[in-house]
Amino acid sequence: QLQLQESGPGLVKPSETLSLTCTVSGGSISSSSYYWGWIRQPPGKGLEWIGSIYYSGSTYYNPSLKSRVTISVDTSKNQFSLKLSSVTAADTAVYYCARHTTGTFDPWGQGTLVTVSS
Amino acid sequence: QSALTQPASVSGSPGQSITISCTGTSSDVGSYNLVSWYQQHPGKAPKLMIYEGSKRPSGVSNRFSGSKSGNTASLTISGLQAEDEADYYCCSYAGSSTFPYVFGTGTKVTVL
Repeated sequence: QLQLQESGPGLVKPSETLSLTCTVSGGSISSSSYYWGWIRQPPGKGLEWIGSIYYSGSTYYNPSLKSRVTISVDTSKNQFSLKLSSVTAADTAVYYCARHTTGTFDPWGQGTLVTVSS
Repeated sequence: QSALTQPASVSGSPGQSITISCTGTSSDVGSYNLVSWYQQHPGKAPKLMIYEGSKRPSGVSNRFSGSKSGNTASLTISGLQAEDEADYYCCSYAGSSTFPYVFGTGTKVTVL
């Protein structure tokens, strides 16, 4: 059974870089059938797709965040990572990682709350 | 790319059927049969309930069904149960290589 787990600091200072890692277990991140994505949810609000990566390293990002987002993959560790630079309070959210095909996100990690505050 | 439009809340009594709409555009919902639906209980991660418009993953109750007409997708929950009380989000593939995925605004389902 495929499982995803987010990890990283729960508190980030304004203007700094948010860094999260998603560890995949129970399956290979190198599967040619899937993409790996990041989605976030501000407290009390809806879901927002941040970006995705293919095991080969191909990436695509939400245009509203593209200038600040970098997603990378480490197939040797079965992990993929998110970096979001120049964060503000508006970036406070629960960040989820998920496996996806075209249009379907499943499964999801449990999510990790990242708070941007000094 | 704007978020797909969902009603903020829908309610129903146990045993009843309810339908949640998800309205997009001809660039997303209307162009692809790639709408998915997610159930989210408080403090939990979203769970896939419907994919590719009307398909149910293994383990999801057949009380959940999906459909589409034009630019609007719908999720119907029949035989409403207390455990169905949750937030529900739709998501559509939008085809663009620059912004391929758009989520709905979310609907709070209340079981009266």
